[in-house]
Amino acid sequence: KQEVTQIPAALSVPEGENLVLNCSFTDSAIYNLQWFRQDPGKGLTSLLLIQSSQREQTSGRLNASLDKSSGRSTLYIAASQPGDSATYLCAVNSGGYNKLIFGAGTRLAVHP
Amino acid sequence: DAGITQSPRHKVTETGTPVTLRCHQTENHRYMYWYRQDPGHGLRLIHYSYGVKDTDKGEVSDGYSVSRSKTEDFLLTLESATSSQTSVYFCATRQDRGSVNTEAFFGQGTRLTVV
Repeated sequence: KQEVTQIPAALSVPEGENLVLNCSFTDSAIYNLQWFRQDPGKGLTSLLLIQSSQREQTSGRLNASLDKSSGRSTLYIAASQPGDSATYLCAVNSGGYNKLIFGAGTRLAVHP
Repeated sequence: DAGITQSPRHKVTETGTPVTLRCHQTENHRYMYWYRQDPGHGLRLIHYSYGVKDTDKGEVSDGYSVSRSKTEDFLLTLESATSSQTSVYFCATRQDRGSVNTEAFFGQGTRLTVV
């Protein structure tokens, strides 16, 4: 059974820091991995989708990497800003019908 | 948010009553999903649909049923609400482009409290 773990559960950093969020999964047979952002009381916003054949995906200050063989993905946020404060969730697509298995998320606080 | 509307956004109901949550999408996406989000558990899949009248169970389907009579609507019913079903419920959709590598889009969620 696929399990997804995110470490750390919470992170507080000063503005301007570069930071890394971690996601690990137990079964390397995945189709893709997706990173989401969730603001309090809101839905999930897709940030990046990495296909199983890819090593990295970039969008603005965000860079996501995937090492399928070791069951790990990282989300790198460059020059963090207070507006980046949110919960970040990773999810793997490893079954039929594109069902997602989620980690519990990392709650990020960026303070001025 | 890919044109996904969940209703109601908030609901308080009594134990033992049936409850129906609605997800409506305007994107003509083939796949639709219901997840619940609880502290410490992330999101867990309840039911999903891969077409009109085609549905199947997810990881935590006990006590829930779904129906999809039109592409745009996916209903989640709690047959007899229990306190353990107090949660935030999210609907998601995904396009079918003949590839597994399409993004999932989520609605804003429904906060359900069972008292």
